[in-house]
Amino acid sequence: DVKVTQSSRYLVKRTGEKVFLECVQDMDHENMFWYRQDPGLGLRLIYFSYDVKMKEKGDIPEGYSVSREKKERFSLILESASTNQTSMYLCASTPTVTGELFFGEGSRLTVL
Amino acid sequence: AQKITQTQPGMFVQEKEAVTLDCTYDTSDPSYGLFWYKQPSSGEMIFLIYQGSYDQQNATEGRYSLNFQKARKSANLVISASQLGDSAMYFCAMREPGGASYDKVIFGPGTSLSVIP
Repeated sequence: DVKVTQSSRYLVKRTGEKVFLECVQDMDHENMFWYRQDPGLGLRLIYFSYDVKMKEKGDIPEGYSVSREKKERFSLILESASTNQTSMYLCASTPTVTGELFFGEGSRLTVL
Repeated sequence: AQKITQTQPGMFVQEKEAVTLDCTYDTSDPSYGLFWYKQPSSGEMIFLIYQGSYDQQNATEGRYSLNFQKARKSANLVISASQLGDSAMYFCAMREPGGASYDKVIFGPGTSLSVIP
């Protein structure tokens, strides 16, 4: 079975803290994505990666960075968390071409 | 600018009736794909159906069908014979080339469907 695992389901951080959200997939997929989900706004693409060490900005990259050192792992980094980054974060992966996204369970981040 | 539009924030349907969830999209690329995902209150994202831009026939998967009108840039989801378990958020999404080597996938704001017994 396909599996995308996000390291933390719930996090509470303080403003200014550095936050790491980890995502691991076991399907050897090339493409990985980070989204944030907010009510009324749907899922908004933050960053995506189509290969190891390759990354592309999505629609809302400001305040975020990513790292993909190994094919199976895609990390989202908030260098200095702010309250407006309180959200649900969803990681997804997909093989090249076919396109169906496989999602993790999500990480709910609260920044105080 | 929003590239995926879902104009129905919330909808109600009677159990066993059919319902159509609207989705319009905007892209200038001839090669793209359209998805629908379901997100129940448990939060998991469930893939429902996919339509490629070059597919000649509308996609169907069980009770789900995608009414693809390419000229109108419309990809509406039709759920036949609604069930109580269909109550969920539904997201339309589009895969489009982001560059020579990769695609990006973007989502619409979603439609909340409630099935009434």
